[in-house]
Amino acid sequence: SYELTQAPSVSVSSGQTAIITCSGDNLGDKYASWYQQRPGQSPLLIIYEDSKRPSGIPERFSGSISGNTATLTISGAQALDEADYYCQAWDSRQAVVFGGGTRLTVL
Amino acid sequence: QVQLQESGPGLVKPSETLSLTCTVSGVSITNYYWSWIRQPPGKGLEWIGYIYYTGSTNSNPSLKSRVTISMDAPTNQLSLRLSSVTAADTAVYYCARCSYGSGWYVADHWGQGSLVTVSS
Repeated sequence: SYELTQAPSVSVSSGQTAIITCSGDNLGDKYASWYQQRPGQSPLLIIYEDSKRPSGIPERFSGSISGNTATLTISGAQALDEADYYCQAWDSRQAVVFGGGTRLTVL
Repeated sequence: QVQLQESGPGLVKPSETLSLTCTVSGVSITNYYWSWIRQPPGKGLEWIGYIYYTGSTNSNPSLKSRVTISMDAPTNQLSLRLSSVTAADTAVYYCARCSYGSGWYVADHWGQGSLVTVSS
């Protein structure tokens, strides 16, 4: 079965750049999306098609992909960015696949 | 704006069938894909399945044999049925509106979620 792998946790100092990665076989041939889930809230789509931001998502969130790794970059991380982040891709056989999630701590 | 609201029993007995409804407002369900996604307490997201307005469905291979997803256009509601539940099915269940393109599919609007506990 298709799997997406994320580090369980990442920490960043306030105002610095946070980098969260997601890897999977042939991920570069698919499109990665990213969701933010703050404690007690529903997930929120923040990046789709590797690098596009939905309306209302701040520019400090950006996405990219290289090879089999997708990257979510949060520039100038703020306390309100402390959340769980999930990558997601579409697989032709399994349809929707989520990564295990990365908890971002802003110090 | 688009709003989704899950509803259903918060407690289901083992071996029984979990049933949830998602009431959608602000958009017709006949125009999009719709997914059910769940999240066990303290764990990550797991896609359950989706339905298209044509009635076409697809489900997570690990759940396929137990999942039924349906929609009712006149009431603008979606439904999820998960049979033969065990404690492992205890989770917050979300319904979500989905958008798609060539090679991508995302959940761009989510409900608030409904906690279902499987216990005798």
